[in-house]
Amino acid sequence: SAVISQKPSRDICQRGTSLTIQCQVDSQVTMMFWYRQQPGQSLTLIATANQGSEATYESGFVIDKFPISRPNLTFSTLTVSNMSPEDSSIYLCSAHRTGTGNTIYFGEGSWLTVV
Amino acid sequence: AQRVTQPEKLLSVFKGAPVELKCNYSYSGSPELFWYVQYSRQRLQLLLRHISRESIKGFTADLNKGETSFHLKKPFAQEEDSAMYYCALSEGNAGNMLTFGGGTRLMVKP
Repeated sequence: SAVISQKPSRDICQRGTSLTIQCQVDSQVTMMFWYRQQPGQSLTLIATANQGSEATYESGFVIDKFPISRPNLTFSTLTVSNMSPEDSSIYLCSAHRTGTGNTIYFGEGSWLTVV
Repeated sequence: AQRVTQPEKLLSVFKGAPVELKCNYSYSGSPELFWYVQYSRQRLQLLLRHISRESIKGFTADLNKGETSFHLKKPFAQEEDSAMYYCALSEGNAGNMLTFGGGTRLMVKP
């Protein structure tokens, strides 16, 4: 399976600040995604991170709030901007690895608490 | 748009009892279905996918297109099976994103 590393794994953030989460994959992947898992809820797709171009956002998520970069095939960042307590969630990076059919792998997640 | 429904938020069984975690989906095309598991304090990991028709840790799941279901089953539950289980759907093209169900917490009591 692809190894996906995320950092930070956990952070406590002040209201109104922004935090960038980094995701590194150990091998080349075709697709990278960012999901959010709010407390007690399932995973919701935020966006697809596209290499060298703007991310594709799902309904309810916008670039100004969740800017995403993907400068190469193995690295992506998600920024949570101007945070409020409602942004307290686990943010997960995931990736589809070439040659594995349609299997998608997940990072350990970044657990953000906004106070 | 695709949708995945897991009707039970919590399923509690005794060790050795059969387990069935229900998953229903709605999608007009040919989906690919997955079960992911998340053990306490661990990352989400793939348990099985329907196209592989495999049995992992004693779990199986059969895609029933007529009933649009992909229920996860195990004949004899073990305490170490206690975890969150998520059913997920992909549109079938390689690398497509997943749509997740709400998850079912399985508790296996001794």
